[in-house]
Amino acid sequence: QVQLVESGGGLVKPGGSLTLSCAASGFSFSDHYMSWVRQAPGKGLEWVSLISRNDSPKHYAASVKGRFTISRDKAKNSLYLQMNSLRVEDTAVYFCARVLSGSYSRPLDLWGQGTLVTVSS
Amino acid sequence: DIQMTQSPSSLSASVGDRVIITCRASQSISTYLNWYQQLPGKVPKLLIYTASTLQSGVPSRFSGSGSGTDFTLTISTLQPDDFATYYCQQSYSTPYTFGQGTKLEIK
Repeated sequence: QVQLVESGGGLVKPGGSLTLSCAASGFSFSDHYMSWVRQAPGKGLEWVSLISRNDSPKHYAASVKGRFTISRDKAKNSLYLQMNSLRVEDTAVYFCARVLSGSYSRPLDLWGQGTLVTVSS
Repeated sequence: DIQMTQSPSSLSASVGDRVIITCRASQSISTYLNWYQQLPGKVPKLLIYTASTLQSGVPSRFSGSGSGTDFTLTISTLQPDDFATYYCQQSYSTPYTFGQGTKLEIK
């Protein structure tokens, strides 16, 4: 079954750290760019980060640059988002998404169900 | 960063109506434009990419057009399953920004 399954969300205090994981199955993970997108409660979608097939380059939204790190493990078919120095405004559902291969507009054609990160004291 | 502005932010329509949602980029993005649908409480779904290419499995009542800075998503004949929030996204340059969303509600 072609799917993405996120894990690792939870409650963390401001300034804390958390690592999200996304397990890919049913497709060739190494053939795809991958991305993280988040959605604060009741708000719209916010693009967070993108990683290429070969780990480099990596791109980040200005709001997370220097605090978040995207990575992937091809042997484990997994995508990660290391989040440090978390802020209240980072509270959101975080989606892992696959970039459609072969399209220059890099659309996100497969999404996980999302994992909720809550940053609160 | 490239800003994406959708209009309207919300829209009331009836089953059978033709609906047009617009998306404007703050600078030219050629056709590096994608559209997504998010049903309430659900995960976003890709509808259209490269401004006008229909994603596999998406009904043909959805269509997209535009290039440069102005784009449209058209739903030719609204169905009950189409009441959702729609987002455009540019992928011309990182960060790949989304529009603020257009919530399509039943009249």
